[in-house]
Amino acid sequence: DTAVSQTPKYLVTQMGNDKSIKCEQNLGHDTMYWYKQDSKKFLKIMFSYNNKELIINETVPNRFSPKSPDKAHLNLHINSLELGDSAVYFCASSTEGGSNSPLHFGNGTRLTVT
Amino acid sequence: GDSVTQMEGPVTLSEEAFLTINCTYTATGYPSLFWYVQYPGEGLQLLLKATKADDKGSNKGFEATYRKETTSFHLEKGSVQVSDSAVYFCALRNSGNTPLVFGKGTRLSVIA
Repeated sequence: DTAVSQTPKYLVTQMGNDKSIKCEQNLGHDTMYWYKQDSKKFLKIMFSYNNKELIINETVPNRFSPKSPDKAHLNLHINSLELGDSAVYFCASSTEGGSNSPLHFGNGTRLTVT
Repeated sequence: GDSVTQMEGPVTLSEEAFLTINCTYTATGYPSLFWYVQYPGEGLQLLLKATKADDKGSNKGFEATYRKETTSFHLEKGSVQVSDSAVYFCALRNSGNTPLVFGKGTRLSVIA
Protein backbone atom coordinates (compact mmCIF):
# COMPACT_ATOMS: atom_id res chain seq x y z
CA ASP A 1 0.00 0.00 0.00
CA THR A 2 2.88 2.33 -0.84
CA ALA A 3 1.59 5.82 -1.55
CA VAL A 4 4.30 7.26 -3.83
CA SER A 5 6.74 4.74 -5.24
CA GLN A 6 9.79 5.35 -7.40
CA THR A 7 12.04 2.94 -9.19
CA PRO A 8 14.87 2.27 -9.17
CA LYS A 9 16.10 3.15 -5.69
CA TYR A 10 19.71 3.31 -6.88
CA LEU A 11 21.02 4.03 -10.36
CA VAL A 12 24.71 3.98 -11.26
CA THR A 13 25.63 4.80 -14.83
CA GLN A 14 28.32 6.36 -17.00
CA MET A 15 28.46 9.81 -18.51
CA GLY A 16 26.68 10.08 -21.81
CA ASN A 17 24.13 7.36 -21.11
CA ASP A 18 20.35 7.82 -21.15
CA LYS A 19 18.30 6.66 -18.17
CA SER A 20 14.76 6.81 -16.82
CA ILE A 21 13.24 6.98 -13.36
CA LYS A 22 9.63 5.92 -12.85
CA CYS A 23 7.13 7.26 -10.34
CA GLU A 24 3.64 6.10 -9.47
CA GLN A 25 1.18 7.33 -6.86
CA ASN A 26 -1.95 5.53 -5.64
CA LEU A 27 -3.36 8.44 -3.65
CA GLY A 28 -5.67 9.71 -6.37
CA HIS A 29 -3.78 13.00 -6.47
CA ASP A 30 -3.99 15.38 -9.43
CA THR A 31 -0.56 16.93 -9.26
CA MET A 32 2.88 15.32 -9.37
CA TYR A 33 6.37 16.76 -9.02
CA TRP A 34 10.03 16.00 -9.46
CA TYR A 35 12.55 17.46 -7.04
CA LYS A 36 16.34 17.24 -7.11
CA GLN A 37 18.29 17.00 -3.84
CA ASP A 38 21.97 17.82 -4.09
CA SER A 39 24.83 16.62 -1.92
CA LYS A 40 24.16 19.41 0.59
CA LYS A 41 20.55 18.23 0.96
CA PHE A 42 19.13 21.26 -0.83
CA LEU A 43 15.79 20.46 -2.51
CA LYS A 44 14.91 22.17 -5.75
CA ILE A 45 11.73 21.78 -7.79
CA MET A 46 12.30 20.58 -11.34
CA PHE A 47 8.86 19.91 -12.80
CA SER A 48 5.23 19.87 -11.85
CA TYR A 49 2.36 18.19 -13.71
CA ASN A 50 -1.34 18.63 -13.11
CA ASN A 51 -3.67 16.08 -14.71
CA LYS A 52 -0.95 15.07 -17.18
CA GLU A 53 -0.18 18.65 -18.19
CA LEU A 54 3.11 20.38 -17.48
CA ILE A 55 2.57 23.42 -15.28
CA ILE A 56 6.04 24.14 -13.91
CA ASN A 57 9.40 23.70 -15.61
CA GLU A 58 12.13 25.33 -13.59
CA THR A 59 15.27 26.15 -15.59
CA VAL A 60 16.11 22.49 -16.05
CA PRO A 61 18.34 21.48 -19.00
CA ASN A 62 16.32 20.05 -21.87
CA ARG A 63 18.23 16.77 -21.42
CA PHE A 64 15.60 16.15 -18.71
CA SER A 65 12.21 15.23 -20.12
CA PRO A 66 9.28 14.36 -17.88
CA LYS A 67 6.43 12.24 -19.22
CA SER A 68 3.05 11.73 -17.62
CA PRO A 69 1.07 8.94 -19.33
CA ASP A 70 -1.75 9.38 -16.82
CA LYS A 71 -2.28 11.34 -13.67
CA ALA A 72 -0.97 8.51 -11.47
CA HIS A 73 2.42 8.36 -13.20
CA LEU A 74 5.22 10.83 -13.81
CA ASN A 75 8.42 9.46 -15.28
CA LEU A 76 11.70 11.29 -15.72
CA HIS A 77 13.96 10.58 -18.66
CA ILE A 78 17.48 11.97 -18.72
CA ASN A 79 19.59 12.06 -21.89
CA SER A 80 23.36 12.36 -22.15
CA LEU A 81 23.96 12.12 -18.43
CA GLU A 82 26.62 14.39 -16.91
CA LEU A 83 28.59 14.16 -13.67
CA GLY A 84 26.59 17.09 -12.26
CA ASP A 85 23.38 15.12 -12.59
CA SER A 86 24.46 12.96 -9.65
CA ALA A 87 21.89 13.61 -6.93
CA VAL A 88 18.86 12.12 -5.25
CA TYR A 89 15.66 12.64 -7.23
CA PHE A 90 12.35 12.70 -5.39
CA CYS A 91 8.91 12.29 -6.86
CA ALA A 92 5.96 13.78 -4.97
CA SER A 93 2.22 14.24 -5.37
CA SER A 94 -0.54 16.41 -3.94
CA THR A 95 -4.19 17.22 -4.36
CA GLU A 96 -5.41 20.42 -5.92
CA GLY A 97 -7.00 21.37 -2.64
CA GLY A 98 -5.26 24.67 -2.12
CA SER A 99 -1.97 25.65 -0.58
CA ASN A 100 -2.67 23.74 2.64
CA SER A 101 -2.43 20.36 0.91
CA PRO A 102 0.92 18.80 1.76
CA LEU A 103 3.09 16.99 -0.73
CA HIS A 104 3.64 13.25 -0.32
CA PHE A 105 7.12 12.10 -1.29
CA GLY A 106 8.57 8.88 -2.59
CA ASN A 107 11.73 7.44 -1.05
CA GLY A 108 14.00 8.87 -3.70
CA THR A 109 16.27 7.57 -6.46
CA ARG A 110 19.98 8.03 -5.87
CA LEU A 111 21.60 8.63 -9.25
CA THR A 112 25.38 8.34 -9.51
CA VAL A 113 27.03 9.30 -12.78
CA THR A 114 30.64 8.14 -13.19
CA GLY B 1 10.10 35.06 -5.32
CA ASP B 2 9.09 33.06 -2.29
CA SER B 3 11.88 31.80 -0.05
CA VAL B 4 12.52 30.05 3.25
CA THR B 5 15.51 30.58 5.51
CA GLN B 6 16.32 28.17 8.29
CA MET B 7 19.17 27.96 10.72
CA GLU B 8 22.30 26.30 9.52
CA GLY B 9 23.24 23.03 11.07
CA PRO B 10 24.39 20.69 12.15
CA VAL B 11 22.74 20.84 15.54
CA THR B 12 23.98 18.37 18.13
CA LEU B 13 22.03 17.85 21.34
CA SER B 14 22.02 15.44 24.22
CA GLU B 15 18.98 13.25 24.77
CA GLU B 16 16.16 15.07 26.61
CA ALA B 17 17.48 18.52 25.63
CA PHE B 18 15.18 21.24 24.30
CA LEU B 19 15.20 21.78 20.55
CA THR B 20 14.55 24.92 18.54
CA ILE B 21 15.14 25.16 14.80
CA ASN B 22 14.48 28.64 13.48
CA CYS B 23 12.64 29.23 10.24
CA THR B 24 11.61 32.49 8.58
CA TYR B 25 9.96 33.01 5.24
CA THR B 26 9.39 35.59 2.52
CA ALA B 27 6.26 35.20 0.43
CA THR B 28 3.64 37.10 -1.50
CA GLY B 29 0.14 36.33 -0.36
CA TYR B 30 -0.71 34.05 2.49
CA PRO B 31 1.21 30.78 2.33
CA SER B 32 0.73 27.55 4.24
CA LEU B 33 3.77 26.46 6.22
CA PHE B 34 5.18 22.99 6.74
CA TRP B 35 7.93 21.09 8.50
CA TYR B 36 9.19 17.93 6.84
CA VAL B 37 11.64 15.40 8.28
CA GLN B 38 14.08 13.19 6.36
CA TYR B 39 15.49 10.21 8.25
CA PRO B 40 18.76 8.73 6.89
CA GLY B 41 18.27 6.98 3.56
CA GLU B 42 14.57 7.82 3.39
CA GLY B 43 12.26 10.27 1.66
CA LEU B 44 10.64 13.31 3.19
CA GLN B 45 7.76 12.87 5.63
CA LEU B 46 5.36 15.58 6.64
CA LEU B 47 5.93 16.38 10.31
CA LEU B 48 3.41 19.18 10.86
CA LYS B 49 1.74 22.09 9.13
CA ALA B 50 -0.09 25.36 9.79
CA THR B 51 -2.30 27.18 7.34
CA LYS B 52 -3.11 30.52 8.96
CA ALA B 53 -1.71 33.02 11.40
CA ASP B 54 -1.42 31.83 15.01
CA ASP B 55 -2.16 28.23 14.03
CA LYS B 56 -0.01 25.75 15.91
CA GLY B 57 0.95 22.54 14.16
CA SER B 58 2.00 19.63 16.33
CA ASN B 59 3.02 16.00 15.94
CA LYS B 60 5.23 13.50 17.82
CA GLY B 61 6.05 16.10 20.47
CA PHE B 62 7.15 18.68 17.90
CA GLU B 63 5.29 21.93 17.47
CA ALA B 64 5.52 25.15 15.48
CA THR B 65 3.37 28.29 15.48
CA TYR B 66 2.63 30.36 12.37
CA ARG B 67 3.69 33.92 13.27
CA LYS B 68 2.65 36.30 10.54
CA GLU B 69 4.01 39.39 12.27
CA THR B 70 7.53 37.95 12.37
CA THR B 71 7.11 35.73 9.26
CA SER B 72 8.39 32.80 11.28
CA PHE B 73 7.57 29.14 11.88
CA HIS B 74 10.13 27.89 14.40
CA LEU B 75 10.18 24.18 15.23
CA GLU B 76 10.39 23.16 18.90
CA LYS B 77 10.45 19.99 20.95
CA GLY B 78 10.73 19.86 24.69
CA SER B 79 12.77 16.67 25.04
CA VAL B 80 14.56 15.15 22.04
CA GLN B 81 15.36 11.48 21.61
CA VAL B 82 18.10 9.73 19.69
CA SER B 83 15.43 8.61 17.21
CA ASP B 84 14.79 12.28 16.32
CA SER B 85 18.17 12.45 14.57
CA ALA B 86 17.33 13.50 11.01
CA VAL B 87 17.33 16.45 8.63
CA TYR B 88 14.47 18.88 9.16
CA PHE B 89 13.11 21.07 6.37
CA CYS B 90 10.90 24.12 6.69
CA ALA B 91 8.75 24.79 3.63
CA LEU B 92 5.98 26.99 2.31
CA ARG B 93 3.30 26.60 -0.32
CA ASN B 94 1.58 29.64 -1.72
CA SER B 95 -1.33 28.35 -3.79
CA GLY B 96 -3.00 25.20 -5.03
CA ASN B 97 -0.83 24.25 -7.98
CA THR B 98 2.46 25.62 -6.76
CA PRO B 99 5.19 23.35 -5.44
CA LEU B 100 6.68 23.48 -1.99
CA VAL B 101 9.57 25.89 -1.55
CA PHE B 102 12.06 24.44 0.90
CA GLY B 103 14.66 25.85 3.23
CA LYS B 104 18.14 24.33 3.05
CA GLY B 105 17.49 21.82 5.84
CA THR B 106 18.94 21.50 9.33
CA ARG B 107 20.65 18.31 10.38
CA LEU B 108 19.92 17.29 13.95
CA SER B 109 22.03 14.74 15.79
CA VAL B 110 20.89 13.59 19.22
CA ILE B 111 23.41 11.72 21.34
CA ALA B 112 22.64 9.44 24.27
